[in-house]
Amino acid sequence: KAGVTQTPRYLIKTRGQQVTLSCSPISGHRSVSWYQQTPGQGLQFLFEYFSETQRNKGNFPGRFSGRQFSNSRSEMNVSTLELGDSALYLCASSEVGARGYTFGSGTRLTVV
Amino acid sequence: DQQVKQNSPSLSVQEGRISILNCDYTNSMFDYFLWYKKYPAEGPTFLISISSIKDKNEDGRFTVFLNKSAKHLSLHIVPSQPGDSAVYFCAASANSGGSNYKLTFGKGTLLTVNP
Repeated sequence: KAGVTQTPRYLIKTRGQQVTLSCSPISGHRSVSWYQQTPGQGLQFLFEYFSETQRNKGNFPGRFSGRQFSNSRSEMNVSTLELGDSALYLCASSEVGARGYTFGSGTRLTVV
Repeated sequence: DQQVKQNSPSLSVQEGRISILNCDYTNSMFDYFLWYKKYPAEGPTFLISISSIKDKNEDGRFTVFLNKSAKHLSLHIVPSQPGDSAVYFCAASANSGGSNYKLTFGKGTLLTVNP
């Protein structure tokens, strides 16, 4: 079984631009969550999607948004990028009712 | 408000010795706890978990202990190996009645195992 795939792996954007990150979950996994990791802050929960619906949202500004498609693939979008958005963005997927998640390798976003 | 706390940012141990990583939580609704290991430039990988109905779970060299009254859990690695050097994250989730199990993470502990 292929793991969770995130693209791209690395991204450099300019302040004020927008960015879209992609995540393909493990086949059969219908729940997809997104996390932001910054130095010293651990993993901060962004949002979770299940069957194309956002079920849970973390404490991030509205510039951060996401969606899930019918094939469970998910995208997250960050608009009007700020320097502080530089981070590793991790996607994780799980089966229905599972208590743990499998993570992808992440997308390293650098905002300059 | 940090609901999952890992108060030691780093830990250094000698190869062959025991590594003990600690985690405290404040939310009494948490009923499932996990440990993830993370190498640089990679995503976290699942290590071991424990349900609140247990106080110990063992998997090879890794054992997790849960003390519900103290809201404290710990991960023991015996014996420690240089390949165990990584950041370890403690995570917790609450059963909200559906299939919605958001994970709340601590900030991580960097474990260094010296040869």
